[in-house]
Amino acid sequence: DARVTQTPRHKVTEMGQEVTMRCQPILGHNTVFWYRQTMMQGLELLAYFRNRAPLDDSGMPKDRFSAEMPDATLATLKIQPSEPRDSAVYFCASGLDGQYEQYFGPGTRLTVT
Amino acid sequence: AQSVTQLGSHVSVSEGALVLLRCNYSSSVPPYLFWYVQYPNQGLQLLLKYTSAATLVKGINGFEAEFKKSETSFHLTKPSAHMSDAAEYFCAVSRTGANSKLTFGKGITLSVRP
Repeated sequence: DARVTQTPRHKVTEMGQEVTMRCQPILGHNTVFWYRQTMMQGLELLAYFRNRAPLDDSGMPKDRFSAEMPDATLATLKIQPSEPRDSAVYFCASGLDGQYEQYFGPGTRLTVT
Repeated sequence: AQSVTQLGSHVSVSEGALVLLRCNYSSSVPPYLFWYVQYPNQGLQLLLKYTSAATLVKGINGFEAEFKKSETSFHLTKPSAHMSDAAEYFCAVSRTGANSKLTFGKGITLSVRP
């Protein structure tokens, strides 16, 4: 049963600390998406990769957020320094370019105090 | 640019009643349309998709949706609600050839009363 996995599932950290979230896309998928979900803003697209290359990160605060794909089986989203307003659930999704549907991971619930 | 409108934030139905969740889209080119479901503390799960084949699309868990171009709608229905259907539902649109990006609606919470 192929699934997107995300680690950690929960993270509590103090303001100013670095946070790294990891995602393993479904094997063979070549698109990866990072989303942030909050009650106020709903689901926001932060970044999008195709074949490991970043195609769109316009939704991401550039001064503190960074997203990378070191290899085809790992995507990372880093926040440095973290702030309380970054508290949210961060989802990773993967898919095949041209097929449009995305498969979501279980999310990382981040709390910044 | 494409967009999705899900009117209202909450729908409540009785168990066994018809479920109808509305979605209207805006797209300058033929769209691909999706419904996702999110159960508490879980990620989004694909319910069904429309990709320009049959206009009536059947999905998992007894849900279906009908693409109506004249009404720019893609409403989600289920004949008989079950308690396990209580969740948040998201409609999403993608423009063909648009690098697989989806634009999501704000979501609607479905409650099912016993």
